[in-house]
Amino acid sequence: EDKVVQSPLSLVVHEGDTVTLNCSYEVTNFRSLLWYKQEKKAPTFLFMLTSSGIEKKSGRLSSILDKKELFSILNITATQTGDSAIYLCAPYSGAGSYQLTFGKGTKLSVIP
Amino acid sequence: KAGVTQTPRYLIKTRGQQVTLSCSPISGHRSVSWYQQTPGQGLQFLFEYFSETQRNKGNFPGRFSGRQFSNSRSEMNVSTLELGDSALYLCASSFLGPGTTYEQYFGPGTRLTVT
Repeated sequence: EDKVVQSPLSLVVHEGDTVTLNCSYEVTNFRSLLWYKQEKKAPTFLFMLTSSGIEKKSGRLSSILDKKELFSILNITATQTGDSAIYLCAPYSGAGSYQLTFGKGTKLSVIP
Repeated sequence: KAGVTQTPRYLIKTRGQQVTLSCSPISGHRSVSWYQQTPGQGLQFLFEYFSETQRNKGNFPGRFSGRQFSNSRSEMNVSTLELGDSALYLCASSFLGPGTTYEQYFGPGTRLTVT
């Protein structure tokens, strides 16, 4: 059975701090891993990672994948209150179908 | 392009009833996936449709079913509702054609409350 574990489950930091969110996975027919941010509504796409060791960046957010050790991290530098959200990782496995298996997420709270 | 739309946005039903939720994907997207989100279990995959065919199904009882129409719009149905079916139901669409990046775009969800 596919398994995705995110840690920590929740995190409280002050504005300006740097945070690292972890995602480990075990899925069959792994193709890529996606990160999403969920505020009070639907998840919004952040990154897709397919290759090991290649960092993807978007502003203060960056992410990297290790396909050998089966994990990914999401870094957020200089956090702001607007970063408060649940961050979800989801490996994509696709053998004749398309399925994302989501972790339970990390709830990040950034306080002023 | 318009985003993924879901109707209705909120729904209150009583135990034993059935419910049908609707999802219109982004134009050109042929893959539609459904998820159930609850505080305890997180986002759980229900099923995925592509070109009117269900290609994959999550670990849910047979009371949960779905279908996809030729215009890629999708519906999911839950029969004999139970209190534990109260959740946010999310639909997501993907363009899985040439050059796809496999991103799923989510709709706003339907909040179902079973009393």
